[in-house]
Amino acid sequence: ETGVTQSPTHLIKTRGQQVTLRCSSQSGHNTVSWYQQALGQGPQFIFQYYREEENGRGNFPPRFSGLQFPNYSSELNVNALELDDSALYLCASSPLGAGGTDTQYFGPGTRLTVL
Amino acid sequence: GENVEQHPSTLSVQEGDSAVIKCTYSDSASNYFPWYKQELGKGPQLIIDIRSNVGEKKDQRIAVTLNKTAKHFSLHITETQPEDSAVYFCAAKKNTGFQKLVFGTGTRLLVSP
Repeated sequence: ETGVTQSPTHLIKTRGQQVTLRCSSQSGHNTVSWYQQALGQGPQFIFQYYREEENGRGNFPPRFSGLQFPNYSSELNVNALELDDSALYLCASSPLGAGGTDTQYFGPGTRLTVL
Repeated sequence: GENVEQHPSTLSVQEGDSAVIKCTYSDSASNYFPWYKQELGKGPQLIIDIRSNVGEKKDQRIAVTLNKTAKHFSLHITETQPEDSAVYFCAAKKNTGFQKLVFGTGTRLLVSP
């Protein structure tokens, strides 16, 4: 069974640029959630995707957007990057619904640095 | 909104000692409480979780207790080993299809040989 994978592992961008981060969910998991973890802090919920639709969002502006694909993989897009967007971006998958549980399993994360 | 407080922020113990990390949550609608271990440069790893219909759960050297009345839950690690050294996060989630975990601020555990 393959766990949650994310790409790339590291990324450096400049202010104002756009970035796309990718996540492949664990086999059999249909729900993907994205979190932002600033240095020295706990992860903060960005949004959740289920059945290719966003069905829950945290306190993040619209320039944070996402997609989920039929194979349950997902993308996180961030437009107009700001210095404060520098963080570890984590993807978590869970087998929600159809008798599944809400336990979330995290990937290794993508470290984004905005200069 | 939900708030989760976690203490202590750092914890140093000798190998073989026990370690206890405590969390308090604010939203009485929360019913799922996982604990994650995060090593340097890695994503959080689920180590144990508990649901609100259970007061205690144990898995080998790790146990979690939940007091719903006081809105407290705690992680207990016995016979600590140097490889237990990491940052530990508690989290809470409401009983909805919405998967939002609210995390504590983390505890850095250092186990000295």
